[in-house]
Amino acid sequence: EVQLLESGGGFVQPGGSLKISCAASGFTFSDYALTWVRQAPGKGLDWVSLISGSGGSTYYADSVKGRFTISRDNSKNTLYLQINSLRVEDTAVYYCAKWGDYYMDVWGKGTTVTVSS
Amino acid sequence: ETVLTQSPATLSLSPGERATLSCRASQSVSRNLAWYQQKPGQAPRLLIYDASNRATGIPARFSGSGSGTDFTLTISSLEPEDFAVYHCQQRGNWPPITFGQGTRLEI
Repeated sequence: EVQLLESGGGFVQPGGSLKISCAASGFTFSDYALTWVRQAPGKGLDWVSLISGSGGSTYYADSVKGRFTISRDNSKNTLYLQINSLRVEDTAVYYCAKWGDYYMDVWGKGTTVTVSS
Repeated sequence: ETVLTQSPATLSLSPGERATLSCRASQSVSRNLAWYQQKPGQAPRLLIYDASNRATGIPARFSGSGSGTDFTLTISSLEPEDFAVYHCQQRGNWPPITFGQGTRLEI
């Protein structure tokens, strides 16, 4: 069974940093690109970033460019998102999703990041 | 950036009725559009990809249509478990990947 499991969310003060992870199982990890999507409380879905299967190509939403860094460790079947210079508006549930056939075909359950003073 | 506008924001129907949800793109995305279902407290689930293809395990009562800028998700006969939020997403002009704001389907 294909599974994604996020971890590492928490409560952070504005300006702080956090690194969240997504552990994958049930598929050949390096064959697929992966994405991060977030959802602020009561709001819609907001694409954050995507990384290719090899890790050689990365893409970001303008709202996070320069503050967030996506990466992956194909030997550990794990995806990461380093989040720096956190803002109150970054408060959200962060989902990782497998980019299968150019869509998000499998999603994790999400990890919550709360930014507040 | 391609903006997706979903309508209506909220749709109130009863089990057994037909639901029609709309997603309009600010520029053509060809057929590069997906629909996701999200229930409270859960992650989204892929329903439809490439405008009209059902994802694995999705019941036949869900269908998608459209191309270019206008897309429709139809649920032919609503089941109790279909009441949820539905999001459209485009990959025709990316980055960025964009989502609509969602349509809440309520009883």
